[in-house]
Amino acid sequence: QKEVEQDPGPLSVPEGAIVSLNCTYSNSAFQYFMWYRQYSRKGPELLMYTYSSGNKEDGRFTAQVDKSSKYISLFIRDSQPSDSATYLCAMSDRGSTLGRLYFGRGTQLTVWP
Amino acid sequence: EAGVAQSPRYKIIEKRQSVAFWCNPISGHATLYWYQQILGQGPKLLIQFQNNGVVDDSQLPKDRFSAERLKGVDSTLKIQPAKLEDSAVYLCASSLISSFSYNEQFFGPGTRLTVL
Repeated sequence: QKEVEQDPGPLSVPEGAIVSLNCTYSNSAFQYFMWYRQYSRKGPELLMYTYSSGNKEDGRFTAQVDKSSKYISLFIRDSQPSDSATYLCAMSDRGSTLGRLYFGRGTQLTVWP
Repeated sequence: EAGVAQSPRYKIIEKRQSVAFWCNPISGHATLYWYQQILGQGPKLLIQFQNNGVVDDSQLPKDRFSAERLKGVDSTLKIQPAKLEDSAVYLCASSLISSFSYNEQFFGPGTRLTVL
């Protein structure tokens, strides 16, 4: 069983739709949860970062962590064509730079106008 | 602020040949990472440096992969000899040192390696 599971999609939605992206994990020691966005031919860039359980909102993006279920989500409201990218979840058991990041395989999202 | 620089951007080699990738991290970032991202998968950490020293190389195939970070700045990753399964994007990332709080990793654009 992989440490982090993520449905690769692809996911295709119309502009303005609400998008829900999810990951599950098996390691209960994970405390730091991240969502990265990766455009084609580019490196990943950090979108959201959450420590432990709870919600975090940043503009059109909301990250949720449910540690009891080992389940994390990213919601995108009012999706735009510019949101078309691969979304990678990542997590770590330590917040310091000594903590290794474990990535999901990414979900490919296309938002069509 | 300049981002993480990597070169070359693309490389095509025959199996059993050797190849080297170069990375220049963001100025002042003491921690440097090399990741391997196979098509359709998430990045997998190969090696992590903090300044000149290796922090984690547990997933580096040491029989064919090597990496160095001289003077705690630039880094090179080498594969010798390459295998077909090494075809992937090799990502370099850097971050500030922190013992207590999470520090964002900044990724370069990657080097896309194709082994024929």
